[in-house]
Amino acid sequence: AQSVTQLGSHVSVSEGALVLLRCNYSSSVPPYLFWYVQYPNQGLQLLLKYTSAATLVKGINGFEAEFKKSETSFHLTKPSAHMSDAAEYFCAVSDGTSGTYKYIFGTGTRLKVLA
Amino acid sequence: DGGITQSPKYLFRKEGQNVTLSCEQNLNHDAMYWYRQDPGQGLRLIYYSQIVNDFQKGDIAEGYSVSREKKESFPLTVTSAQKNPTAFYLCASRQGSEAFFGQGTRLTVV
Repeated sequence: AQSVTQLGSHVSVSEGALVLLRCNYSSSVPPYLFWYVQYPNQGLQLLLKYTSAATLVKGINGFEAEFKKSETSFHLTKPSAHMSDAAEYFCAVSDGTSGTYKYIFGTGTRLKVLA
Repeated sequence: DGGITQSPKYLFRKEGQNVTLSCEQNLNHDAMYWYRQDPGQGLRLIYYSQIVNDFQKGDIAEGYSVSREKKESFPLTVTSAQKNPTAFYLCASRQGSEAFFGQGTRLTVV
């Protein structure tokens, strides 16, 4: 079975500071990993994805994540936070080998950016 | 523009009533999904469909039903058997490994 744990339901950073959102996964097969962002009352937008190619994945809006198999982690980072980054972020895992792609989502981290 | 359209954006239902949430996509994707989102619980899978005329239960299918008569459409019915239907519902379709989401429907039981 697959699972995702996001550490910290709320994270606050100052504008211009480093953003670090943590995600650990559990999977018995090579996982596909995703980070999505959600603004209030909106759907989810894909930030980036890992599908067994390069372990350092660059996404949109300056975000990146590193797949670390030994730590079963896929933490999301951004060097300098902008006010527009305030949103809820979801980490997700999927089993691509079975063909069904049942995405399992973490419980989300709400990012607050302080002026 | 290609995308996923969910309607309505807000929906109010009286207790004991069935209600159907619409999800339409023009992306030509085979796979479609319905998720329920509650505060602090992330997204939980209700039903998914890999192809027309076929669908499978997800983790929380009780009290819900779906149909997939057309590739473009995957409506979700919230029945009176669903004990706590107030939530934000998200529909998605998939191409390759990537899921694309609609803007969601917020259902409130009054």
